[in-house]
Amino acid sequence: GAGVSQTPSNKVTEKGKYVELRCDPISGHTALYWYRQSLGQGPEFLIYFQGTGAADDSGLPNDRFFAVRPEGSVSTLKIQRTERGDSAVYLCASSLWAGGNNEQFFGPGTRLTVL
Amino acid sequence: DQQVKQNSPSLSVQEGRISILNCDYTNSMFDYFLWYKKYPAEGPTFLISISSIKDKNEDGRFTVFLNKSAKHLSLHIVPSQPGDSAVYFCAASYYNQGGKLIFGQGTELSVKP
Repeated sequence: GAGVSQTPSNKVTEKGKYVELRCDPISGHTALYWYRQSLGQGPEFLIYFQGTGAADDSGLPNDRFFAVRPEGSVSTLKIQRTERGDSAVYLCASSLWAGGNNEQFFGPGTRLTVL
Repeated sequence: DQQVKQNSPSLSVQEGRISILNCDYTNSMFDYFLWYKKYPAEGPTFLISISSIKDKNEDGRFTVFLNKSAKHLSLHIVPSQPGDSAVYFCAASYYNQGGKLIFGQGTELSVKP
């Protein structure tokens, strides 16, 4: 399909390990967003890219979290020294461009479990 | 600080009746509001939106009402159908913030046949 895809769908890791979560946006979408959804909560903004650059990373909880989008398409969210509190569903969304009323299309998410 | 709040975690209605989902916000800078629907193991999907210059927007069975003075919006679904059973999220954004969305906690709607 032509929607947003995320891999892996599930990731189980041990406390202290490093993980990478991948997002493939819809082709032609220049804006890409990462959100995190904890149990019983709504999605919480982490970071967004317009093209290759991170335009707003104010939602990243601390410096263990980092995201890249080197060619303006695929993005990777990287989490170092994972903690149990990082367990959540990580959602990626893309839109034609950032801002205003452009609809964001979400992927199915990656469920991260830190043991 | 929860800027967008959905105070009802769940709602149950009978098929054919009206479903009303509510959302409150605190930030007066918000100028665009959206409702997303989410099924288990899927990402949220856009349902309907409203700009702050309007007080109502309608799309088929779905209508969103905005009361700016009360900082309140609601989603009406008429008539409700069993396929509408899902979690509904209210979200808000504002100008020059790149479209980043601030979500409420969600309301789980169950429509009984």
